[in-house]
Amino acid sequence: AQSVTQLGSHVSVSEGALVLLRCNYSSSVPPYLFWYVQYPNQGLQLLLKYTTGATLVKGINGFEAEFKKSETSFHLTKPSAHMSDAAEYFCAVTKGSGTYKYIFGTGTRLKVLA
Amino acid sequence: SQTIHQWPATLVQPVGSPLSLECTVEGTSNPNLYWYRQAAGRGLQLLFYSVGIGQISSEVPQNLSASRPQDRQFILSSKKLLLSDSGFYLCAWDPGQDYEQYFGPGTRLTVT
Repeated sequence: AQSVTQLGSHVSVSEGALVLLRCNYSSSVPPYLFWYVQYPNQGLQLLLKYTTGATLVKGINGFEAEFKKSETSFHLTKPSAHMSDAAEYFCAVTKGSGTYKYIFGTGTRLKVLA
Repeated sequence: SQTIHQWPATLVQPVGSPLSLECTVEGTSNPNLYWYRQAAGRGLQLLFYSVGIGQISSEVPQNLSASRPQDRQFILSSKKLLLSDSGFYLCAWDPGQDYEQYFGPGTRLTVT
């Protein structure tokens, strides 16, 4: 069975500092991995995804993530945090079995300090 | 371009009352459709998914049901709400390719 673990339900960083949000997965088949962002009382917006190919994936708003098979990780990073990055971030995995049922992590709420 | 709508945006209902949440997708045909519930600190829980009209799969036993009366319409219902049904309900769709789901704006349901 697939699962996703996001370490740290709350993360605080200073404006301009590195953002690192952790995601580890388990999957018996090659996974497809995603990061979504959710602003308060809104739906989820895709930040980036990994399906095949290059393991370093660049997304919107300056975010990127690296798929590391040996570590079963897909951590999200951004070199310099901006106040507008404050939101909740979800990691998700699917094996793409036709209906693309996602397994979501429990989310990490990012707080950016001025 | 494709858009997804959900309504109502917010809803306050008493325990034991019925529920109907609606989701519609525009600009695509034969999408896969999904209902999720989001409870505080628990991530997203897949409730139902549908690959076509009248085809509904349930992921979690509950007092909720779903229907797909039209290709791009997905409805979440309950005959009698429970306090535990409170949460943020999200509808999503995908075109069956490219592995990306697109989410609606959500409905905040409070059962009192």
